[in-house]
Amino acid sequence: DGGITQSPKYLFRKEGQNVTLSCEQNLNHDAMYWYRQDPGQGLRLIYYSQIVNDFQKGDIAEGYSVSREKKESFPLTVTSAQKNPTAFYLCASSIDSRGETQYFGPGTRLLVL
Amino acid sequence: GENVEQHPSTLSVQEGDSAVIKCTYSDSASNYFPWYKQELGKRPQLIIDIRSNVGEKKDQRIAVTLNKTAKHFSLHITETQPEDSAVYFCAASNDYKLSFGAGTTVTVRA
Repeated sequence: DGGITQSPKYLFRKEGQNVTLSCEQNLNHDAMYWYRQDPGQGLRLIYYSQIVNDFQKGDIAEGYSVSREKKESFPLTVTSAQKNPTAFYLCASSIDSRGETQYFGPGTRLLVL
Repeated sequence: GENVEQHPSTLSVQEGDSAVIKCTYSDSASNYFPWYKQELGKRPQLIIDIRSNVGEKKDQRIAVTLNKTAKHFSLHITETQPEDSAVYFCAASNDYKLSFGAGTTVTVRA
């Protein structure tokens, strides 16, 4: 899991602002994932990408967008349409598209000013 | 889609006792079941996993059992220690992604 990095560790968003969370992996993994973690609700899937230049919506994609232009990078943008963005955001990767064994990054905590 | 339920939500055990966490899943096509441990403010880390063609798997003090017919699986931690205190998540793999349970907060009392 040391091969997955997320930045920043903390991020503050103002009303009406889009913010982008970074996720990078040097594990040569094909698939990458974004999860949102709220207290008492476990991990909920936002978006995932099984291969470069392709991605799919997860269970809570509204108000978020992603891109996968490079194998090692999967940035997440939290748009102004996401009305309740305060949460802990976790990025993960897995070696292939089956989505089984996933390794997580250290997370980004997003707070609203 | 897959729905994973996890019980209990909190669990307090005396050091040295055993802890058991149970999960059920809804989709019989799910075939891979990992367990993650998350310490406060840290990333989830995989501690053990099991595939649908196996009924039980052990790794030192932790074990996982799977009942495919009943669609439930359990995590067993024996001889609990203070460092076992954390949130534990079960998950089920289906349709190229994982669905997670809501988590169990385990507290080991000294």
